Amino acid sequence: ETGVTQSPTHLIKTRGQQVTLRCSSQSGHNTVSWYQQALGQGPQFIFQYYREEENGRGNFPPRFSGLQFPNYSSELNVNALELDDSALYLCASSWTGTGGQQFFGPGTRLTVL
Amino acid sequence: EDKVVQSPLSLVVHEGDTVTLNCSYEVTNFRSLLWYKQEKKAPTFLFMLTSSGIEKKSGRLSSILDKKELFSILNITATQTGDSAVYLCAGKNAGNNRKLIWGLGTSLAVNP
Repeated sequence: ETGVTQSPTHLIKTRGQQVTLRCSSQSGHNTVSWYQQALGQGPQFIFQYYREEENGRGNFPPRFSGLQFPNYSSELNVNALELDDSALYLCASSWTGTGGQQFFGPGTRLTVL
Repeated sequence: EDKVVQSPLSLVVHEGDTVTLNCSYEVTNFRSLLWYKQEKKAPTFLFMLTSSGIEKKSGRLSSILDKKELFSILNITATQTGDSAVYLCAGKNAGNNRKLIWGLGTSLAVNP
């Protein structure tokens, strides 16, 4: 196990609702990246937080937003859910000194009906 | 636009076979290439390759990077059913934005 935890494990929402996903990074890691992985696809980068600030963003609309807290845990918020938001959401933590190795949490499976 | 392409997308072999998975990349200001294995949920780290021509090895798995031709291969020898998974490769740039650019993955099924 990597030490990265995510909650909840599974979530079912309806269109238009809002959702908050949570991630606790591995001890000592100061960077959290969020990914969306649709069935049969590789992970798509949503954004990354480094020391509580957004440090890069992929091609996702503004209704995808996030936070990082002083303890480096993080939240991903998605507003106005759409059916296509159904996916596995992965967070990965890393430390800037590791040069890229990211440790993934188990993911949150979001289903939008 | 940065991209990572993996091939084949899907592969079915018998136990004991050797497989080679391919990953080509176009990543601006490339720094490293990473391989992950994904079975059920979270990808698990396999290798990080930074230097060209230096093979990294872990048991029956090995990987090498060619920075001139912009590709990497992942070899698995004497495959076992437990090797069945999706193998993902990702390229990383050297900038402050340390995002990974992911391929679609190769789905490997090892039959007994």
